[in-house]
This record gives sequence, structure tokens and C-alpha cells, in this order.
Amino acid sequence: DADVTQTPRNRITKTGKRIMLECSQTKGHDRMYWYRQDPGLGLRLIYYSFDVKDINKGEISDGYSVSRQAQAKFSLSLESAIPNQTALYFCATSDPTPGTAQNEQFFGPGTRLTVL
Amino acid sequence: SQQGEEDPQALSIQEGENATMNCSYKTSINNLQWYRQNSGRGLVHLILIRSNEREKHSGRLRVTLDTSKKSSSLLITASRAADTASYFCATGTASKLTFGTGTRLQVTL
Repeated sequence: DADVTQTPRNRITKTGKRIMLECSQTKGHDRMYWYRQDPGLGLRLIYYSFDVKDINKGEISDGYSVSRQAQAKFSLSLESAIPNQTALYFCATSDPTPGTAQNEQFFGPGTRLTVL
Repeated sequence: SQQGEEDPQALSIQEGENATMNCSYKTSINNLQWYRQNSGRGLVHLILIRSNEREKHSGRLRVTLDTSKKSSSLLITASRAADTASYFCATGTASKLTFGTGTRLQVTL
């Protein structure tokens, strides 16, 4: 089984709808991240969490919210989806080596979201 | 804004040739990582080079880092069709990574 899973893998929704993307991990990592990927723009950080009580905004958090339900689960919500939120969304986890900045991240397979 | 910028944006080579892609970044770093992404899939970590290292090898991969020029290069030797993917550099802190825009590599038979 994959260490980082995302559901759904594909989703088509309409403008104004609320949608939730879910991420689960079995790696036992405390740190989890949500990114979006748009063609030609690389990955941009939406939110990140270092534990269940710690949530931080990333580069592009407007229009999104997150919930860290447990160490293993980190959900991303679009309260009222709009077409420019059409993108590929990735969840990632990490477990940095203590005392270092070596922050290798492990990615889920992605969710392709289309907002009509 | 992106911390890293890869060059070239796209690269097409034949199997067996070497592929070189470059990454430039803007601010001081603790380390730099390279990731691979197969089409539409999640990124996979390839290699990490610390700021006090100049070169690192892993199998057919060779990464160099020049902190004075704020640049890094990834060399894939003896490329294979399976190396076809997008490659991203990422500059890291203990908190988070910032990714570049990627190089799309196409390896043809």
C-alpha cells in the first residue's frame, strides 16, 4: 500500500460548491503539506502543519482551509470553488532529521480538480 | 514567487546521451534537493546536497552546487526512456521547501 494516499484522485465540480480533498499517511510523520501545481508554475504551498495543533498558511492560502484531524490525516477544503482553482493538488509529508534542515518530502499521487 | 528556476524548461535527448539541467535560486540555502515527477504523478525525491557540499553522486545522477553563483546542476548519465519526466529543484529549510518551475526531459529511443 502507498505511504501517502489522496482521495479523490479526480474530481469535477461546479463553481460555488464546497469540496474537500483528503490525505492520509502511514509514514508516521508529523509534518504534512498541501500544494497545488499549475502548468509552468511548479508547486506552490497552500498550507502546512507540524502537528495536529499547528496549522500554517503557505504562499497561496486564500480560498482554502485545512483540517488536521489526526497525525495521519490532513484535509484541504475549498469553501466555494472557483474555476481558477482548477489544478493538480498534492499532499506531502516529511520527518526532518533532528538538528538539520534536511527536509525530504514524500508525496501522494495527487488529486486532479476541475472547477467548471 | 519561485525560489528556484530551472533551465532549460524542456530538453529532448536520445537514449544513452547525458542530460544536464540547471537550477538557479535567489537566497541563501541550507540544502538543495532534486525531485522527479512522472506525468501527472507525485514528486519523488532524488537527491539532497547540503550547502557545504560541492558535488554528490547517486547512481547515474550527479549533482553540483555552487553557492557563490546560487546555482545547481543535475546530470543524468546514460539516459533511458524511463528517465522521461519533469525534474524540479527545491530549496529547503527545516520548515518547508520552495520548488522551481521544472525541466521537462524527454528521452527518445
